[in-house]
Amino acid sequence: AQSVAQPEDQVNVAEGNPLTVKCTYSVSGNPYLFWYVQYPNRGLQFLLKYITGDNLVKGSYGFEAEFNKSQTSFHLKKPSALVSDSALYFCAVRRTGANNLFFGTGTRLTVIP
Amino acid sequence: NAGVMQNPRHLVRRRGQEARLRCSPMKGHSHVYWYRQLPEEGLKFMVYLQKENIIDESGMPKERFSAEFPKEGPSILRIQQVVRGDSAAYFCASSPSQDQPQHFGDGTRLSIL
Repeated sequence: AQSVAQPEDQVNVAEGNPLTVKCTYSVSGNPYLFWYVQYPNRGLQFLLKYITGDNLVKGSYGFEAEFNKSQTSFHLKKPSALVSDSALYFCAVRRTGANNLFFGTGTRLTVIP
Repeated sequence: NAGVMQNPRHLVRRRGQEARLRCSPMKGHSHVYWYRQLPEEGLKFMVYLQKENIIDESGMPKERFSAEFPKEGPSILRIQQVVRGDSAAYFCASSPSQDQPQHFGDGTRLSIL
């Protein structure tokens, strides 16, 4: 079985401040981990992925995520938030050999000017 | 390079009618995935196809739903005898191989009257 938890439905952060969107996962074997962002009435846009290698993964638009195996976490971070980062963020996991992505329920990020 | 194209963007049907949702994957992508998103929820996997083959349909409802990806033309998700509970956003994603990130279309929003 596999699962993804995004414990915060909503995250608010002031523009220019660092942001963190949390994600923990449960999957058998080695996980493939992903972050996607969704803007209103749009599909999901790929931000970054972790397959193997360095625990700190850098992605699009200045985002990065840190894979922590012992805590089974893959939190999304950005050093300085922009108003345009306001959107819905989804963490997803795919276990080795599986065909599909398993998504969390999403976290709505609001960056306050 | 055009992204994943889905049409129509919005589809309204009355209960009992049929809904056909189309997805043209990105150029060079032979792997297609369909997901369903209910309001304020994450995406739920439905089906995974490669050209002319259904690889994994473990997320598809047992009745009324079917999918195909013919040798020529787009992938089609077909819902027969629609009911109110079918109202959702349906997203298609494609990838060049199973291990590569999935790229999503903007979705079809299905409304059942």
